[in-house]
Amino acid sequence: KAGVTQTPRYLIKTRGQQVTLSCSPISGHRSVSWYQQTPGQGLQFLFEYFSETQRNKGNFPGRFSGRQFSNSRSEMNVSTLELGDSALYLCASNPTGQGDTEAFFGQGTRLTVV
Amino acid sequence: AQSVTQLGSHVSVSEGALVLLRCNYSSSVPPYLFWYVQYPNQGLQLLLKYTSAATLVKGINGFEAEFKKSETSFHLTKPSAHMSDAAEYFCAVSVSGGYQKVTFGTGTKLQVIP
Repeated sequence: KAGVTQTPRYLIKTRGQQVTLSCSPISGHRSVSWYQQTPGQGLQFLFEYFSETQRNKGNFPGRFSGRQFSNSRSEMNVSTLELGDSALYLCASNPTGQGDTEAFFGQGTRLTVV
Repeated sequence: AQSVTQLGSHVSVSEGALVLLRCNYSSSVPPYLFWYVQYPNQGLQLLLKYTSAATLVKGINGFEAEFKKSETSFHLTKPSAHMSDAAEYFCAVSVSGGYQKVTFGTGTKLQVIP
């Protein structure tokens, strides 16, 4: 069974640009969550989607948005990039979307904003 | 709201020595608790999870953790460290019946000294 796939793995963008990251969950998994990982802040929850609906959102500005498609694939978008957005963005899928089941993580997209 | 505190951002042990990584949680409802491991430039991988069954949970690679409600702790242990255990370890909590919004600790980097 294929794991969670995130593309691209690495990305360099200029301040002010926008970026779209993609995540393909494990087949059959309907829940997709996104996290931002930085050395100073650790893993910060961005949002969670289940069956194309955003059910939960972390404390991030509106520049961060996402969506989920009918095949459960998800994208997140960051507009007007800032230097502080440089981070590893991790996507995780979950078969049930319930709190008692573990998340399966992709390898992440390393975003560098210059 | 739930939270997790990991004591010690860096832990060093000698190869063959006991590994003890500390995690304390806070939750107003019964929690689900997880330990994940992250190798450099990789996503997170589940080591073990507690979901209100046995309080002593055994995971992969010889790791185990004990849920102690009275101490609100879920410390991770391994009797004998191996060089391949060098990685970053994250404790995480989610709530029963809740959506997949997992709160992670800030992580503990484990160094294994030969």
